[in-house]
Amino acid sequence: DQQVKQNSPSLSVQEGRISILNCDYTNSMFDYFLWYKKYPAEGPTFLISISSIKDKNEDGRFTVFLNKSAKHLSLHIVPSQPGDSAVYFCAALDSGTYKYIFGTGTRLKVLA
Amino acid sequence: GAGVSQSPSNKVTEKGKDVELRCDPISGHTALYWYRQSLGQGLEFLIYFQGNSAPDKSGLPSDRFSAERTGGSVSTLTIQRTQQEDSAVYLCASSLPSGQETQYFGPGTRLLVL
Repeated sequence: DQQVKQNSPSLSVQEGRISILNCDYTNSMFDYFLWYKKYPAEGPTFLISISSIKDKNEDGRFTVFLNKSAKHLSLHIVPSQPGDSAVYFCAALDSGTYKYIFGTGTRLKVLA
Repeated sequence: GAGVSQSPSNKVTEKGKDVELRCDPISGHTALYWYRQSLGQGLEFLIYFQGNSAPDKSGLPSDRFSAERTGGSVSTLTIQRTQQEDSAVYLCASSLPSGQETQYFGPGTRLLVL
């Protein structure tokens, strides 16, 4: 029972264009969502988060959108840079618990 | 320390041997998590420690897996009688007490069971 799904295992984007990474969830109790970036041989690093009381959060080139009715969130990176090439994980939390549920990741490749 | 550290960074062992993986969380972080990432998979929750409370072991895949956290700081994940399917990257993360807190991950231990 996968509660958090990233259906695209990989994505390639040209440098300077927009990267859109998607994530779907099934548990309506999730109220906090995060995106992590992971380079090879390193642990995931926090990128951006959003609470369920918002539908958008922006931090520089990174914006996360949350559509609660569709149980869908997305990460937009614009403009994409080669250094953004990494695996991106979305994670969800029911704040009444402490258990973060992670998706399987999307490998982003930004082509120079 | 500056971040979460884990040791060893890589471990190769023979099937049937026991292994111990260590995690040093960020000072002051009372919450500590262990995850496993198998090839092509997401992060699988294993165990959670919060302060002096009893740990949540609900993610441990079998009774060959156990973990301790001494003094509310360093944690050790032990896998007994390792199997080839235990091969994965084992990640540790720490955070302030849970409740929409960011987790900070260590670099992971890459375990290969031959």
